[in-house]
Amino acid sequence: SQQGEEDPQALSIQEGENATMNCSYKTSINNLQWYRQNSGRGLVHLILIRSNEREKHSGRLRVTLDTSKKSSSLLITASRAADTASYFCATDRFLNSGYALNFGKGTSLLVTP
Amino acid sequence: KAGVTQTPRYLIKTRGQQVTLSCSPISGHRSVSWYQQTPGQGLQFLFEYFSETQRNKGNFPGRFSGRQFSNSRSEMNVSTLELGDSALYLCASSWGTGRSEQFFGPGTRLTVL
Repeated sequence: SQQGEEDPQALSIQEGENATMNCSYKTSINNLQWYRQNSGRGLVHLILIRSNEREKHSGRLRVTLDTSKKSSSLLITASRAADTASYFCATDRFLNSGYALNFGKGTSLLVTP
Repeated sequence: KAGVTQTPRYLIKTRGQQVTLSCSPISGHRSVSWYQQTPGQGLQFLFEYFSETQRNKGNFPGRFSGRQFSNSRSEMNVSTLELGDSALYLCASSWGTGRSEQFFGPGTRLTVL
């Protein structure tokens, strides 16, 4: 079952605009990660935020985490055409005998020149 | 440092056959996880191996199995293929556990006819 749910499912913006994606989850977490996937290829890790952190930056990326609302957001500033991809949040959850990442279904971002 | 590699990249099989996929992790990484990605179910955790031992397993039938070798390379096997097994199979490696930052390979696209 999906732990993280991204919103919106699809987002279309123009180059230079900011893109905001949201992720909600159901159970308590130790950390939350964001990944990017270009057109059916492997995922690329973007950022990891721990449950005791509220905000984290990496280049043009800003991630916030609100554990009371069980939600996170990913902001991409000054978007470029190369940012076109699907973005997934992943939470850690205990499954059977250990921890694994539980991914949402992703937000598909299209950045047009 | 070389990234995670997966072979083959594309595979076409027929129902009832079996298939073996291979993954070579980043040098020094001892944890290897496998994920299945489909349009309907999204990314789902299959299993994680660490030091040749299966550390965790997702909720997949016994037709899905895997192993890890002493050099950390991993293989997964799917027996008695079904149409629903058509998917992108992603391998990921990490320094730590299945919930650490994951480095993904490009995936193997399996089509079952």
